[in-house]
Amino acid sequence: NAGVTQTPKFQVLKTGQSMTLQCAQDMNHEYMSWYRQDPGMGLRLIHYSVGAGITDQGEVPNGYNVSRSTTEDFPLRLLSAAPSQTSVYFCASSSLAGGEQFFGPGTRLTVL
Amino acid sequence: EDQVTQSPEALRLQEGESSSLNCSYTVSGLRGLFWYRQDPGKGPEFLFTLYSAGEEKEKERLKATLTKKESFLHITAPKPEDSATYLCAVQDTNAGKSTFGDGTTLTVKP
Repeated sequence: NAGVTQTPKFQVLKTGQSMTLQCAQDMNHEYMSWYRQDPGMGLRLIHYSVGAGITDQGEVPNGYNVSRSTTEDFPLRLLSAAPSQTSVYFCASSSLAGGEQFFGPGTRLTVL
Repeated sequence: EDQVTQSPEALRLQEGESSSLNCSYTVSGLRGLFWYRQDPGKGPEFLFTLYSAGEEKEKERLKATLTKKESFLHITAPKPEDSATYLCAVQDTNAGKSTFGDGTTLTVKP
């Protein structure tokens, strides 16, 4: 099992550009989520999904969109990148029964 | 709104010097409290889940305990390889999503 995979690992954008961060899991987990982590801080929830076709907002959803067309994939779209979105982004998955989350390796995003 | 506060922010220990990390939480209904370890440049790695007050879990030099208001991560005779950031999170029975604390960065000097 590959677990949770994220691409790309690093990305530099200019203000106003859009892009999609990819996340996939092969554990058949119902729950998937996106977090951002800023220096010296914990994880802040952006969006989450409890199954294919179901998504909801987390703590800091503005400027981001998600969709969940399959159980395996949960892409995060930045609509118009801003310097405030410079951060490390983590995708995670878990079974609804278990609760403990499995994290991907992260995407380090810089917006100039 | 669920809240998680971890202390201290940073902890420096000598190898073999035992100590504890604190995680205080407020949640309407606790489904589970989770501890994760995060190494620099990597994603968090799951350590423990605690479900009810009085519960304890152990793994090597780490022991996690839970009360109705806080959890402790006790580190016994730490080694340099225990150096990492330790994150605490709570999962609410109503929302299902997790709220994380800001973490404690542990440095163990040889």
